[in-house]
Amino acid sequence: DAKTTQPNSMESNEEEPVHLPCNHSTISGTDYIHWYRQLPSQGPEYVIHGLTSNVNNRMASLAIAEDRKSSTLILHRATLRDAAVYYCILINAGGTSYGKLTFGQGTILTVHP
Amino acid sequence: DTAVSQTPKYLVTQMGNDKSIKCEQNLGHDTMYWYKQDSKKFLKIMFSYNNKELIINETVPNRFSPKSPDKAHLNLHINSLELGDSAVYFCASSQGHPGGGGSYEQYFGPGTRLTVT
Repeated sequence: DAKTTQPNSMESNEEEPVHLPCNHSTISGTDYIHWYRQLPSQGPEYVIHGLTSNVNNRMASLAIAEDRKSSTLILHRATLRDAAVYYCILINAGGTSYGKLTFGQGTILTVHP
Repeated sequence: DTAVSQTPKYLVTQMGNDKSIKCEQNLGHDTMYWYKQDSKKFLKIMFSYNNKELIINETVPNRFSPKSPDKAHLNLHINSLELGDSAVYFCASSQGHPGGGGSYEQYFGPGTRLTVT
């Protein structure tokens, strides 16, 4: 599986935008970029995913570099409830991944009031 | 209604015992998973079932035996529990099929914290 690299931790203030980076230099053409987050004492929660184009949903935006070797999860206005561990994960559309999510260590996001 | 539910939420047991964790999803999904999160917070997939058929088995000891009586349920039975089995176990489901898409999202349950003493 292609690997992803994320900063260990990031901090933000409430109401400010947050840009969470992810490097995936060995991404293949059929790898989707998924983001999940895990709030304290809860199971992981899907945030967003994309393949080549930038994506927006009610939770966040995903900006994907033109060469697809990196991506950025954007939280437009951080709230205290966004404090969580954010995981950037690649899922191969073909082959035998069968939807297997391979979690790295993720980025711990701290939001200050 | 909870989309993916697990029982029990907490499980404390002694070494050598056999225990089961149950998982149910009411989303109509055809694929279910078990993940283990250890004390260092690393999440790792253990098993995946699609339409009651095992499709992923990630070199988990055979003391762990998943059972899927139907598409909505995936239970995890653990024999001869060891101290190292202490962890949080998460069940998840998705609407996806083997080798397909890669675009589907997984829904996770709240977790079962297993403590082996």
